[in-house]
Amino acid sequence: KAGVTQTPRYLIKTRGQQVTLSCSPISGHRSVSWYQQTPGQGLQFLFEYFSETQRNKGNFPGRFSGRQFSNSRSEMNVSTLELGDSALYLCASSFLNTGELFFGEGSRLTVL
Amino acid sequence: AQTVTQSQPEMSVQEAETVTLSCTYDTSESDYYLFWYKQPPSRQMILVIRQEAYKQQNATENRFSVNFQKAAKSFSLKISDSQLGDAAMYFCAYRTRGGGADGLTFGKGTHLIIQP
Repeated sequence: KAGVTQTPRYLIKTRGQQVTLSCSPISGHRSVSWYQQTPGQGLQFLFEYFSETQRNKGNFPGRFSGRQFSNSRSEMNVSTLELGDSALYLCASSFLNTGELFFGEGSRLTVL
Repeated sequence: AQTVTQSQPEMSVQEAETVTLSCTYDTSESDYYLFWYKQPPSRQMILVIRQEAYKQQNATENRFSVNFQKAAKSFSLKISDSQLGDAAMYFCAYRTRGGGADGLTFGKGTHLIIQP
């Protein structure tokens, strides 16, 4: 059974650009959530989607957005990138929206 | 909002010995999940063990076990017979049953070093 797949694994952008990250959950999982991991702030919750609806959102500015498609795949977008957006972005899926989360390998974003 | 505290930024243990990682949390909820996740250098977060707050029995998974003290809001992880492959960052995490607004709340992590 394939795990959570995130693409791209690594990317470099410059300030002011935008980026889209993709996440394919484990087959059958309808809940997808996103986390930002940085050395200073640790792991912080971005948002959670369940059946194409945003269920929860963390304390991040509106530049961070996401969506989920009918096949449960999810994307997150960051617009007007800032240096502080450099981080590992982790996607996780679960079968039930309250069960344990299964994480992907992450997308490493570097903003120059 | 819930908080999770891991007071040990780094721990070191000899191979084959036992080590305990500490975690405390703060919540006003009565029904929730607690997790320990492992993040090795490859970066993929892996679930080690999970505990449901309404269950009094401590969860165990092979060499991994927890000491869950609900009244004290404590959730420590014990690793027995430590192996080199156990070296990683360990994160304690909390989630309200019913999917709280904050998703998973993580502690800052404990870096576990295994000495051969």
